[in-house]
Amino acid sequence: NAGVTQTPKFQVLKTGQSMTLQCAQDMNHNSMYWYRQDPGMGLRLIYYSASEGTTDKGEVPNGYNVSRLNKREFSLRLESAAPSQTSVYFCASSEMGLDYNEQFFGPGTRLTVL
Amino acid sequence: SQKIEQNSEALNIQEGKTATLTCNYTNYSPAYLQWYRQDPGRGPVFLLLIRENEKEKRKERLKVTFDTTLKQSLFHITASQPADSATYLCALFHNYGQNFVFGPGTRLSVLP
Repeated sequence: NAGVTQTPKFQVLKTGQSMTLQCAQDMNHNSMYWYRQDPGMGLRLIYYSASEGTTDKGEVPNGYNVSRLNKREFSLRLESAAPSQTSVYFCASSEMGLDYNEQFFGPGTRLTVL
Repeated sequence: SQKIEQNSEALNIQEGKTATLTCNYTNYSPAYLQWYRQDPGRGPVFLLLIRENEKEKRKERLKVTFDTTLKQSLFHITASQPADSATYLCALFHNYGQNFVFGPGTRLSVLP
């Protein structure tokens, strides 16, 4: 059981470049999330997917798009990267409706936009 | 406006003492609240959940309380150890948005 995996681990982009962050989970969870974490601001929700085929905006969706490819995979795309998108990005999954609804997090992607 | 705050950015305590971390929220009606631990360079790891109708939850050396009148949760680590040094995040699940909102975290250092 790998849990939640993310690729890449590190990435440096120039302003205006695009890229896709990949996330996969092997726990058969319905819900998946993308967060960004900045110093002093905690985790902020970018987008989430409550189930396969649905996606919804979180607190900070501007500049991002997502795709729930199938139940396992949830990708995050930056179409035109900006320095303000320099951050650590975490993907998470959970099974809503169970007692604990704990989120399982991936190891993160550290993105720098120059 | 809606806010979730944790009492301090950093907390230093001596080994063996009890660490108490605070999470306060405004303008949310959470169904439940969770606490996570995050080590440097890693993703958060779930520790405990407490529901709106529960006053207290315990797990080994950890204890969480939840006061919906004060809109506050307290997280206690008793007999703290240097290995407990990490950042601790609170997260609430609110029924309206059907998703989680995280606090900024408190960095705990347990000194030997």
